[in-house]
Amino acid sequence: DQQVKQNSPSLSVQEGRISILNCDYTNSMFDYFLWYKKYPAEGPTFLISISSIKDKNEDGRFTVFLNKSAKHLSLHIVPSQPGDSAVYFCAASEPQGGSEKLVFGKGTKLTVNP
Amino acid sequence: DTGVSQDPRHKITKRGQNVTFRCDPISEHNRLYWYRQTLGQGPEFLTYFQNEAQLEKSRLLSDRFSAERPKGSFSTLEIQRTEQGDSAMYLCASSLVAHTIYFGEGSWLTVV
Repeated sequence: DQQVKQNSPSLSVQEGRISILNCDYTNSMFDYFLWYKKYPAEGPTFLISISSIKDKNEDGRFTVFLNKSAKHLSLHIVPSQPGDSAVYFCAASEPQGGSEKLVFGKGTKLTVNP
Repeated sequence: DTGVSQDPRHKITKRGQNVTFRCDPISEHNRLYWYRQTLGQGPEFLTYFQNEAQLEKSRLLSDRFSAERPKGSFSTLEIQRTEQGDSAMYLCASSLVAHTIYFGEGSWLTVV
């Protein structure tokens, strides 16, 4: 049973436009969420995170929104750049449960076209 | 480079052989993690160390897998009697605080 779901395997946007990547989760005990970016043949790179006590966190061109009631989060990239083309993974954790495990989605491949 | 370092980056082995991967975490990071990633999937948690203590293990970590972090610094992940299903990227990560972890570049394993 997949607890973190990224239902769009791929997304294509034009340079300069907004990229919106979505993530849904089923475990209501998750209360910390992260986004990672991964280029081919490299390990994932941490992008941005959000705690469940917030509904928004911003870092430069990247903003993560959390809707706890819908168990949904999204990553907005504005403006999108060709160098943003990568696979983006959503991850969740349950700090209060004592586990250090991150649960990842399957990823969304973003292509930003020049 | 002060990031997480993994060695070797690529390993091709015959089925039934043993393989060992090494991970050097970011200096002063007391937390160290191993994950596995297969094609089309996100990383899957294998195990976690805080200093030298192995505090958490996934059910994915069968008896053929063993991980150590003897002095609380580098870690090794050994796979005994490899099977074709073990082919994957093995990712090491480290952190100072829980839940925001920093990955290395991974070690690719191909079992033929």
